Amino acid sequence: DIVMTQSPDSLAVSLGERATISCKSGQSVLYRSKNKNYLAWYQQKPGQPPKLLIYWASTRESGVPDRFSGSGSGTDFTLTISSLQAEDVAVYYCQQYYTTPLTFGGGTKVEIK
Amino acid sequence: EVQLVQSGAEVKKPGESLKISCKGSGYSFSNNWIGWVRQMPGKGLEWMGSIYPGDSDSRYSPSFQGQVTISADKSISTAYLQWSSLKASDTAMYYCARQSIPGADVYNWFDFWGQGTLVTVSS
Repeated sequence: DIVMTQSPDSLAVSLGERATISCKSGQSVLYRSKNKNYLAWYQQKPGQPPKLLIYWASTRESGVPDRFSGSGSGTDFTLTISSLQAEDVAVYYCQQYYTTPLTFGGGTKVEIK
Repeated sequence: EVQLVQSGAEVKKPGESLKISCKGSGYSFSNNWIGWVRQMPGKGLEWMGSIYPGDSDSRYSPSFQGQVTISADKSISTAYLQWSSLKASDTAMYYCARQSIPGADVYNWFDFWGQGTLVTVSS
């Protein structure tokens, strides 16, 4: 199984400030022949199902605000919220879809400082 | 509009059987894999397995293989997750989710999610 490790477990950021979440995979999720990283990011607010934010490591889903961005390649990935808004309070998960079993990171809880 | 609507919350006793459902609409149900994801209370997301409704090809996580059965009826655009003998440790929220790329294999992300079905198993 590919283990996905997120850090930190939680972080508190002031409104308008940058939030950065790390996700590391136990092996590369870069499909070299396609030059694509098989990595997605989700946001889950309390009492709601997860919502897709990012796929192919850096492609923003339609309708997702541009303050959310994804970067990285191979085994190291980052989700950045450039200017934290109150509605961004949530738990964020990364997920690899390079191989089965599909696996998620443990989640990072983002709160307002 | 793509929608996945799941069946309602269930309260069961250990040893009982259960089948929960996920009905898709707003897209060609047969053409996208549907996955099931478990979230235990206060915990993270775990992929249980996925099914391609077009031909009922299914893939399971080793952690859930033999513990649950995933099926689908494309004629009514519905996927199912079932247990033959529930345990207290099956208490969780279960989500179905569409995998994004039509016609592709299971190796893609989840773009639409159901609202979740809460399963509580208690004596």
